[in-house]
Amino acid sequence: AQSVTQPDARVTVSEGASLQLRCKYSSSGTPYLFWYVQYPRQGLQLLLKYYSGDPVVQGVNGFEAEFSKSNSSFHLRKASVHWSDSAVYFCVLSGGDYAQGLTFGLGTRVSVFP
Amino acid sequence: NAGVIQTPRHKVTGKGQEATLWCEPISGHSAVFWYRQTIVQGLEFLTYFRNQAPIDDSGMPKERFSAQMPNQSHSTLKIQSTQPQDSAVYLCASSSGGANSDYTFGSGTRLLVI
Repeated sequence: AQSVTQPDARVTVSEGASLQLRCKYSSSGTPYLFWYVQYPRQGLQLLLKYYSGDPVVQGVNGFEAEFSKSNSSFHLRKASVHWSDSAVYFCVLSGGDYAQGLTFGLGTRVSVFP
Repeated sequence: NAGVIQTPRHKVTGKGQEATLWCEPISGHSAVFWYRQTIVQGLEFLTYFRNQAPIDDSGMPKERFSAQMPNQSHSTLKIQSTQPQDSAVYLCASSSGGANSDYTFGSGTRLLVI
């Protein structure tokens, strides 16, 4: 069975500060990892994805994530947040086939204040 | 490309009534997924179709939930005899196919059972 853990339910940061959201995964097969963002009353939007290769992947809006097989982690980072980054962020795992689709973490709610 | 379209955006039903939720996947996408999102449980897989065929419905409550995909342009999720615990946001996603494909989510249908 595969699983995703996002240990931080809520994160509050000041505008302009850096942000790191943690994600740990468990997968018996090759992990395909995603970060999605959900703005209020909207669906999920893809920020970035990792399949293989360079463990640091770049995404939209200045986000990047680093994959670590040894740590079973896929942490998300942004150097300088904007108030519009306030949203819920989901770390998501695909086991490589369509069985049960994607496995979601519970999400981290990010609040950016001026 | 209008993305994945879900209708209605909001639905209020009385306890015991039937609710039908609609999803129009991205044209050309071969896989369609349904998820349920609640504050307590987070995002839960319900079911998925590939090339219109039901592949895995292991997440579906068996007695009152059913899903169909009569053609490649839409899928429906039907909940019979709705209960207050069915209140949730129901998200539909589609994918072009393959283990490393992106998943595109709709904005969801917010169902409230009163």
